[in-house]
Amino acid sequence: GEDVEQSLFLSVREGDSSVINCTYTDSSSTYLYWYKQEPGAGLQLLTYIFSNMDMKQDQRLTVLLNKKDKHLSLRIADTQTGDSAIYFCAESLNNAGNMLTFGGGTRLMVKP
Amino acid sequence: NAGVTQTPKFRVLKTGQSMTLLCAQDMNHEYMYWYRQDPGLGLRLIHYSVGEGTTAKGEVPDGYNVSRLKKQNFLLGLESAAPSQTSVYFCASSLGLAGAGRHEQYFGPGTRLTVT
Repeated sequence: GEDVEQSLFLSVREGDSSVINCTYTDSSSTYLYWYKQEPGAGLQLLTYIFSNMDMKQDQRLTVLLNKKDKHLSLRIADTQTGDSAIYFCAESLNNAGNMLTFGGGTRLMVKP
Repeated sequence: NAGVTQTPKFRVLKTGQSMTLLCAQDMNHEYMYWYRQDPGLGLRLIHYSVGEGTTAKGEVPDGYNVSRLKKQNFLLGLESAAPSQTSVYFCASSLGLAGAGRHEQYFGPGTRLTVT
C-alpha cells in the first residue's frame, strides 16, 4: 500500500535554512509534491518534481529526490517568519496527478 | 476569479443529523475532490469526480455521499453524522490533464465540522 511519512515538527531561526524530509513507499510514483498550508487556509502547491529528476530548484526552494531510498526533501533557503506553516509532501501514482497520497504534514516554526 | 469556494465555513451537528457541504469552482476544471484533514494524518481522499455526472470512492468513503450534477459544483453529504466525522473538510479541483503544470490541485479554504 501507499504510505507517506514526515516528521511532525521543525523549528529554525530566521535566516537559517530549513530542510523538511519525507519518505514514501510506492516506487511507481510519477510526481511528488510539496504543499504549504497556512493557518486557517487550504493547501497551496509550492513545487513538484517528476520522478525522473533528482533535483529541482525554484528561487529559495530546492527539492531533492532520492528514488533508491524513496526519500524526498524540501530545502528553504533564508527562511523567513512568513514561511511558518505546515508543509505536506504528497505522491501521485498517475501522470495526471489526480490521485494523491499525502503525508501527515510537518509544522515549521520560524523564530525571529 | 474566485477559484475554489466552500460553504459553510463552520458547522456543528448533533449525532444523527444530516448536512451537505457545497464546493464550487470557476476554473472549468474537470476533476474535483473531497478530502478530510485530521491531525497527524494529513489529507485523506473521501470521494472524487472526473467529470460532470461521475463520482468515485477514495480512501475513506464510508459515511459520505457525493454528487456532481453540474461541472462547477461538487456536493458532499453526511446522511447520519457521527463524532468520528469531526474534521476539517477540503474541496479541491484540477484540470485532470497529464503533463507538467496541468495537474495541480487547487484547494478551497476548508469547512470545520464538529459532531457532538
